Amino acid sequence: DAGITQSPRYKITETGRQVTLMCHQTWSHSYMFWYRQDLGHGLRLIYYSAAADITDKGEVPDGYVVSRSKTENFPLTLESATRSQTSVYFCASSESLITEAKNIQYFGAGTRLSVL
Amino acid sequence: DAKTTQPTSMDCAEGRAANLPCNHSTISGNEYVYWYRQIHSQGPQYIIHGLKNNETNEMASLIITEDRKSSTLILPHATLRDTAVYYCIVRVHPQLSSGSARQLTFGSGTQLTVLP
Repeated sequence: DAGITQSPRYKITETGRQVTLMCHQTWSHSYMFWYRQDLGHGLRLIYYSAAADITDKGEVPDGYVVSRSKTENFPLTLESATRSQTSVYFCASSESLITEAKNIQYFGAGTRLSVL
Repeated sequence: DAKTTQPTSMDCAEGRAANLPCNHSTISGNEYVYWYRQIHSQGPQYIIHGLKNNETNEMASLIITEDRKSSTLILPHATLRDTAVYYCIVRVHPQLSSGSARQLTFGSGTQLTVLP
């Protein structure tokens, strides 16, 4: 039971480079989310997806692009990385938003990204 | 979603019950109380949630006051592995919200340290 996995766990890149963070879940959950966590800001939602090919912006979407061609994958791309995007990124998934028992979000272990 | 107030930090002796309070005095009738925790360098982990009745699962118990303005998370026999930041989150049922309102809003939480 692999659950939800993120890769890489750690990434160092330079300003202006494109970076893609991967998220894979084995539960066939409909909903997937990307959050970033910074000191003083808690977790903030970047993008979320309700199903394959359906994505929507969260609280802080600028500078990020997402896609979801398959239910199990939800990659997050920083098209031109900036220092302000240095953060810890968490992917999460939930089965459904219909019933309370199924809208629990399950998180991956995170990707620590440093933009130099 | 209603705002929550939690103590910044708490200590608990190993093997004793840990009681983590949360104040949510502005909670509305369709808002649930969720608890998540985040162990250092890991992703957030769901613990328990409830609407108005007390709830118990294999991890913890959730006691919600009759007026729903506050709640307490109880870890019955705390272990060193329970050392983490605990987040109390109040949110409306996702079917009643849209867009980024469906995100989980994490506040500062309570740093629980279980002492040997």
